Amino acid sequence: DAKTTQPTSMDCAEGRAANLPCNHSTISGNEYVYWYRQIHSQGPQYIIHGLKNNETNEMASLIITEDRKSSTLILPHATLRDTAVYYCIVIPAGGTSYGKLTFGQGTILTVHP
Amino acid sequence: DAGVTQSPTHLIKTRGQQVTLRCSPKSGHDTVSWYQQALGQGPQFIFQYYEEEERQRGNFPDRFSGHQFPNYSSELNVNALLLGDSALYLCASSFLREENQPQHFGDGTRLSIL
Repeated sequence: DAKTTQPTSMDCAEGRAANLPCNHSTISGNEYVYWYRQIHSQGPQYIIHGLKNNETNEMASLIITEDRKSSTLILPHATLRDTAVYYCIVIPAGGTSYGKLTFGQGTILTVHP
Repeated sequence: DAGVTQSPTHLIKTRGQQVTLRCSPKSGHDTVSWYQQALGQGPQFIFQYYEEEERQRGNFPDRFSGHQFPNYSSELNVNALLLGDSALYLCASSFLREENQPQHFGDGTRLSIL
């Protein structure tokens, strides 16, 4: 599985957009980019995923570069409740591969009032 | 629609004991995966169960074993507990046949070994 690199920590002001980068330069053509977050004392929460097109849902937007070597998760209007550890994970397409999510250290996002 | 539920939420054991943790998957899901999360680290994959069989396994000793029942619920068993087994144990479920179905996690069982 492709390895991902994320900044250790980031800060964001409440109400502003939070842009969380992820580098996955060794990603293969059939590998998806998934984002999860983990709020303190809770299990990881799925946010969004994509293959090569930009994606948007009610929680966030995912921008994947054309060469697919990096991506950015965008929280358009961050709130204090978005303070969490954000994980970028690359997952091969296919059935049994879903079982093994390889988490790195993630990015600690702190949203300030 | 209940999500992934795990029990108990907290557990304290002593070295050498055995423990069983339980997980009920999200409604409609048939695959259960278990993860161990040490303090300050990301979750580490232990194993995955589908159709009552272990399908994939991470780098964990055979002191860690599991089971999946016909109703898709699952148990994680750890024998001969070590201090290093203290961690948050997370269960995740998904529907295997639906391509790129994201896994949904429970809030975990916090296991402390004294």
